[in-house]
Amino acid sequence: GAGVSQSPRYKVTKRGQDVALRCDPISGHVSLYWYRQALGQGPEFLTYFNYEAQQDKSGLPNDRFSAERPEGSISTLTIQRTEQRDSAMYRCASSWGGLDEQFFGPGTRLTVL
Amino acid sequence: GQQVMQIPQYQHVQEGEDFTTYCNSSTTLSNIQWYKQRPGGHPVFLIQLVKSGEVKKQKRLTFQFGEAKKNSSLHITATQTTDVGTYFCAVRESNYQLIWGAGTKLIIKP
Repeated sequence: GAGVSQSPRYKVTKRGQDVALRCDPISGHVSLYWYRQALGQGPEFLTYFNYEAQQDKSGLPNDRFSAERPEGSISTLTIQRTEQRDSAMYRCASSWGGLDEQFFGPGTRLTVL
Repeated sequence: GQQVMQIPQYQHVQEGEDFTTYCNSSTTLSNIQWYKQRPGGHPVFLIQLVKSGEVKKQKRLTFQFGEAKKNSSLHITATQTTDVGTYFCAVRESNYQLIWGAGTKLIIKP
């Protein structure tokens, strides 16, 4: 693809529901990152994949958050039993390798009512 | 863990005036990246600095990495409306993790 894509672009859900956010990285990019970005702030690291291996999940806020990248390409960030404090912009980025520039997707704006 | 302070939070300028944002760290950095995020957009990579004292230019943008590799700056000469957005620095926490500054928002006065 031409760039990183994310879906859905907007998600409104009720408290307690589960949501799954999808990221489709640039073809061939080995590294994939998930971030959360609050308004007026820089991206906050959530988790990192090298190919299909989740090498760091230290930024995931709690055990309601999980992520996978089973085939080393598309990744899904899942939030279980959503809470209002989970409302934010969730961004995915990919890169050729861990040291390279990161290419960001458009993000998914999650609103938990 | 790594922390980076970015100042100022906002800068209001008249079109044609210069703009500068600074990033500072208490520890020596291996490298630093700069990104621009337009209003409603996503961060877009601008440049990476690696060497002590490095200066790189991109048209009206000048990026500097301090001699001690503890600070960096981005300077825009003669701002234009297309420069509007938030400029972020990001530093490496590990081989892959970036720690982001809070950003400096460039606002052009009408």
